[in-house]
Amino acid sequence: AQTVTQSQPEMSVQEAETVTLSCTYDTSESDYYLFWYKQPPSRQMILVIRQEAYKQQNATENRFSVNFQKAAKSFSLKISDSQLGDAAMYFCAYRSMETSGSRLTFGEGTQLTVNP
Amino acid sequence: NAGVTQTPKFQVLKTGQSMTLQCAQDMNHEYMSWYRQDPGMGLRLIHYSVGAGITDQGEVPNGYNVSRSTTEDFPLRLLSAAPSQTSVYFCASSYASGYEQYFGPGTRLTVT
Repeated sequence: AQTVTQSQPEMSVQEAETVTLSCTYDTSESDYYLFWYKQPPSRQMILVIRQEAYKQQNATENRFSVNFQKAAKSFSLKISDSQLGDAAMYFCAYRSMETSGSRLTFGEGTQLTVNP
Repeated sequence: NAGVTQTPKFQVLKTGQSMTLQCAQDMNHEYMSWYRQDPGMGLRLIHYSVGAGITDQGEVPNGYNVSRSTTEDFPLRLLSAAPSQTSVYFCASSYASGYEQYFGPGTRLTVT
């Protein structure tokens, strides 16, 4: 079974600065997807970014980018020019391509605080 | 296009009571899932479905039943509620494997 670990329960960043959230995962599979989800106080789960394991190029979405290190099984999220609206719980998630159903395995989450 | 809807938003049950959490999506997605979210544990998969009439167990299925009679609906039934089932429950759907999962707004359930 796959596991996802987020070793930083809480992080804080100053507005306009850059912060990196860490995620590691354990799998014996070669084909999979990785995701970062954001959960603001409203509780809604919002997809931030997605990475296909077969792609070497790191995914980017505006101020959000990832550092995907497949051999190290590491998938960190970098938030540039942090904004107050980025404050939320962030979850790293793994999706196997070798099992049926679109099932996600989540990490424990990192609570991000953005200080003005 | 309402996306994924869940009812109710909040529910309080007494131990031993049963209830059904409703989930519906209007995006014609084949894949639907139920997760529970507990503090410090992220989201854990309860049950999932890859199409109407097809369901399977996830990581924490005990105490829950599901069925999928239509593409749109995927209800989660608690057979005999226990305090350990106090949690926030999320329903999600996606077009296919690897595609984005769309989450409902969640149901906060408290079992006393």
